[in-house]
Amino acid sequence: KQEVTQIPAALSVPEGENLVLNCSFTDSAIYNLQWFRQDPGKGLTSLLLIQSSQREQTSGRLNASLDKSSGRSTLYIAASQPGDSATYLCAVLETSGSRLTFGEGTQLTVNP
Amino acid sequence: DARVTQTPRHKVTEMGQEVTMRCQPILGHNTVFWYRQTMMQGLELLAYFRNRAPLDDSGMPKDRFSAEMPDATLATLKIQPSEPRDSAVYFCASGLGWETQYFGPGTRLLVL
Repeated sequence: KQEVTQIPAALSVPEGENLVLNCSFTDSAIYNLQWFRQDPGKGLTSLLLIQSSQREQTSGRLNASLDKSSGRSTLYIAASQPGDSATYLCAVLETSGSRLTFGEGTQLTVNP
Repeated sequence: DARVTQTPRHKVTEMGQEVTMRCQPILGHNTVFWYRQTMMQGLELLAYFRNRAPLDDSGMPKDRFSAEMPDATLATLKIQPSEPRDSAVYFCASGLGWETQYFGPGTRLLVL
């Protein structure tokens, strides 16, 4: 059974800092990996999707990397802003394409 | 701006009562997912449909939960009878497959 772990569970940083969120998964037979953002009381919004054949994806100040062989992904946020405060979840889609497994998320607070 | 809608947004009920949650997927999306989110278990897939047909409901307690899609514009998740351990936020998401999921705002359920 696929297990997805995110470290740290919570992170508080001053505005402007660059930061890295980590995601690890136990079964490397994945189809793709996604990073989501969840604001309090809201649903999830997809940020970046990395196919298993890719090493990284970038969108604005966000960069996600994938090392499938080691079962790890990182989300890099450059020049963090208070508006980045949210919970970030990673999710892996298994090769069979029939199940998306989520991590428990990292709660990020960016202080002005 | 197309979005997934869910009703009700909040529900408080007593143990043993029936609870029905509704979801209107984005027009044109052929896949609908139901998730449950709790502090203890994180985000879990309950069931999903493609072209209104149930493909996987293995995440649902079969004896009390049921999910249906009466038509392409409505998905329902029903709990009968409800129990305190069902208290959670229930999310509906729609998309064209696993990779493109648009989440609704969720139904926050409290069973007393």
